[in-house]
Amino acid sequence: SQQGEEDPQALSIQEGENATMNCSYKTSINNLQWYRQNSGRGLVHLILIRSNEREKHSGRLRVTLDTSKKSSSLLITASRAADTASYFCATVVKAAGNKLTFGGGTRVLVKP
Amino acid sequence: DAGVTQSPTHLIKTRGQQVTLRCSPKSGHDTVSWYQQALGQGPQFIFQYYEEEERQRGNFPDRFSGHQYPNYSSELNVNALLLGDSALYLCASSLKARRGGETQYFGPGTRLLVL
Repeated sequence: SQQGEEDPQALSIQEGENATMNCSYKTSINNLQWYRQNSGRGLVHLILIRSNEREKHSGRLRVTLDTSKKSSSLLITASRAADTASYFCATVVKAAGNKLTFGGGTRVLVKP
Repeated sequence: DAGVTQSPTHLIKTRGQQVTLRCSPKSGHDTVSWYQQALGQGPQFIFQYYEEEERQRGNFPDRFSGHQYPNYSSELNVNALLLGDSALYLCASSLKARRGGETQYFGPGTRLLVL
């Protein structure tokens, strides 16, 4: 079963706009990670946020984590056509080693 | 710095056959995890190898087996292939699995089609 569930499932925006996607999970986590996947290829790690952190930034990416609501959000600012991809959140549960449990992903289309 | 490599990139098999997929981890990494990603879905954890032993396993049948070599490279074997085994198989490497929560680096995947 999937630990994380992304919302929305698909997102279409214009270049330059911001893209926000959310992830909800069910159990207490060690950390939550966001990955990007282009056209069914390998996943690229974007950012890791630990359970004791509330917000992290990396370039145009901003991730928040609310452990009380068991949710996270990924914001991509000033989107570019190259940001077109599927974005996945993945959780690491304390009792389960470092295996990643992925959600179903958000498919983002950035139109030029 | 070599990233994670996987071979082959694509593979076509028929039902009942066996397949072996290969993965070389990122330089310096000692842990390899395998994931199955069906079309349109998120990856599902198959198992993880560390120190040449299977350390964790997801909800996959015994038809799925693996191996890790002393150089940390790994193989995923699937016996008695079913149509439902058609998927993208992803290998990910990381460092010191026992610490938990380390970033995993993914290879480009092997796309398996079972006819």
